[in-house]
Amino acid sequence: DTGVSQDPRHKITKRGQNVTFRCDPISEHNRLYWYRQTLGQGPEFLTYFQNEAQLEKSRLLSDRFSAERPKGSFSTLEIQRTEQGDSAMYLCASSLGQGGSNQPQHFGDGTRLSIL
Amino acid sequence: GENVEQHPSTLSVQEGDSAVIKCTYSDSASNYFPWYKQELGKRPQLIIDIRSNVGEKKDQRIAVTLNKTAKHFSLHITETQPEDSAVYFCAAPSGAGSYQLTFGKGTKLSVIP
Repeated sequence: DTGVSQDPRHKITKRGQNVTFRCDPISEHNRLYWYRQTLGQGPEFLTYFQNEAQLEKSRLLSDRFSAERPKGSFSTLEIQRTEQGDSAMYLCASSLGQGGSNQPQHFGDGTRLSIL
Repeated sequence: GENVEQHPSTLSVQEGDSAVIKCTYSDSASNYFPWYKQELGKRPQLIIDIRSNVGEKKDQRIAVTLNKTAKHFSLHITETQPEDSAVYFCAAPSGAGSYQLTFGKGTKLSVIP
């Protein structure tokens, strides 16, 4: 499978715990995006990487959230001290980076986070 | 930032009829407009996109039209089939030079056999 891969698919944790999700983009894609989707809503942008550089961050991304893409390949999203409101589907997408133009973003299956 | 409005929120059509979903955007500098289809419990799947230098793009039964002056774009699905039933999202870049997408709230399309 050469699509965007996310792990785990589901995560259930108690409030206050830390969680980490992983995303493996399509191999030749140098742009990687994290979105969050709640029931009945469209995806909401969280952050974006061009290679290993984190270039855009949403105001939704509180200081409890941190994302990394250390070698410009896979990325991790960590949420510290989880809260009930963090329950959502966390989606990763990737795209080619060609000049200054938007390129099609391809999504993974997501990690569904449930906070008890 | 960009504001994307999508209508209708739900749409029911008879199999074989056409379906049209409309979106408006606020930032006149936006130049890329994708449409995604999301089936229940699955990933958003890119079905078609359009750039601001063209007014229409077709791919088999799916077409997208763009009116830059009015800042709206529409998804047209002809000869609908039950497997077209899903939630459809439009999106636009969140400002000039941004690669992040702002999504509409989605349209739940039901195709009745």
